[in-house]
Amino acid sequence: NAGVTQTPKFRILKIGQSMTLQCTQDMNHNYMYWYRQDPGMGLKLIYYSVGAGITDKGEVPNGYNVSRSTTEDFPLRLELAAPSQTSVYFCASSRGISPSYEQYFGPGTRLTVT
Amino acid sequence: GEDVEQSLFLSVREGDSSVINCTYTDSSSTYLYWYKQEPGAGLQLLTYIFSNMDMKQDQRLTVLLNKKDKHLSLRIADTQTGDSAIYFCADLSGGYQKVTFGTGTKLQVIP
Repeated sequence: NAGVTQTPKFRILKIGQSMTLQCTQDMNHNYMYWYRQDPGMGLKLIYYSVGAGITDKGEVPNGYNVSRSTTEDFPLRLELAAPSQTSVYFCASSRGISPSYEQYFGPGTRLTVT
Repeated sequence: GEDVEQSLFLSVREGDSSVINCTYTDSSSTYLYWYKQEPGAGLQLLTYIFSNMDMKQDQRLTVLLNKKDKHLSLRIADTQTGDSAIYFCADLSGGYQKVTFGTGTKLQVIP
């Protein structure tokens, strides 16, 4: 199993540009999450999904959109990039909602908006 | 809102014990976690403890929870250079999606 994969690894965007961060998991997990990690800060939940076709906002959803058309894929869309979105983005997945079901994280996408 | 705080940096010599501390504010936390993040990688769950436990031991790792003081610690015995990483504590409250992460403690192990 590849686990959770994310593309791209790095990206530089100009203000106002759009892009999609890709996330795929091959563990047949129902639950998927997008976090952002700012320097010296913990992770903040952007969006999450409990299954195909179902998504919901996390703590910091503004400026982002998600979709979940399949169990495997959970892309994150930035429509009008702003410098405040410069961050490292992590996708994660888990088998269930019990706290003992750990979240598996992808390697991250480092995004810079200038 | 909930807050989870950690010191930013810890340096220890190889073979010594490391103790990483964390404080949290949410009294309704049900589970508390320790994650490890190696350079260029995502977070990896190390261990977790249920809020009605005081201690959990797993090989070289010992987690201590003082619920009264809302204080969580992670002790790594016989610290190795491979333990160099950033360690995040996190707490779960109010449902599965409400996991609040701390700021992370960077552990540097000196050979």
